[in-house]
Amino acid sequence: DGGITQSPKYLFRKEGQNVTLSCEQNLNHDAMYWYRQDPGQGLRLIYYSQIVNDFQKGDIAEGYSVSREKKESFPLTVTSAQKNPTAFYLCASSLGGDTQYFGPGTRLTVL
Amino acid sequence: GIQVEQSPPDLILQEGANSTLRCNFSDSVNNLQWFHQNPWGQLINLFYIPSGTKQNGRLSATTVATERYSLLYISSSQTTDSGVYFCAVVKNNNNDMRFGAGTRLTVKP
Repeated sequence: DGGITQSPKYLFRKEGQNVTLSCEQNLNHDAMYWYRQDPGQGLRLIYYSQIVNDFQKGDIAEGYSVSREKKESFPLTVTSAQKNPTAFYLCASSLGGDTQYFGPGTRLTVL
Repeated sequence: GIQVEQSPPDLILQEGANSTLRCNFSDSVNNLQWFHQNPWGQLINLFYIPSGTKQNGRLSATTVATERYSLLYISSSQTTDSGVYFCAVVKNNNNDMRFGAGTRLTVKP
């Protein structure tokens, strides 16, 4: 089936650890995105990538890093520099600037 | 940056009622989407509608780009319509999508 997958669904991290969230798509979309959602709020853009080996910072990139080595994959690393990482993380993809399609999300909790 | 405001923030309906959700945005946009977020967090695309009117079953949407607003209509609401509805916009084809804070809809049986 075509779509966007994110793993893991739930992730627990100790303070001071880096963690990497996976996002894969088989829709042949050029663009991919990472968003953060805090309880009761809308989504905020962390990073996006329009083509392989290129990405741009969104509004809240501090404490996060990404890579785009393959068209299908856009992993997000939450570093120890991110002061308040507990949140729901959503990945999306699109064909150019067209409709964005979202994965099921990863809930990250810092213990 | 572009501001997106959604109203009302919360809406409670009886099953079978109709509703209108509003999205105002502060600048011209190239892309506007409506999403439904279900209780498990999954965002479902409802409409891609930078202008004009579209309908899909009991849902329809209208965007008046010149006046910078969009409306989502839900008719004959069902309990499965419950969740949060988000409006999101993109300016200048730069793929930087801005979300509103959402409207939380509760449909009671």
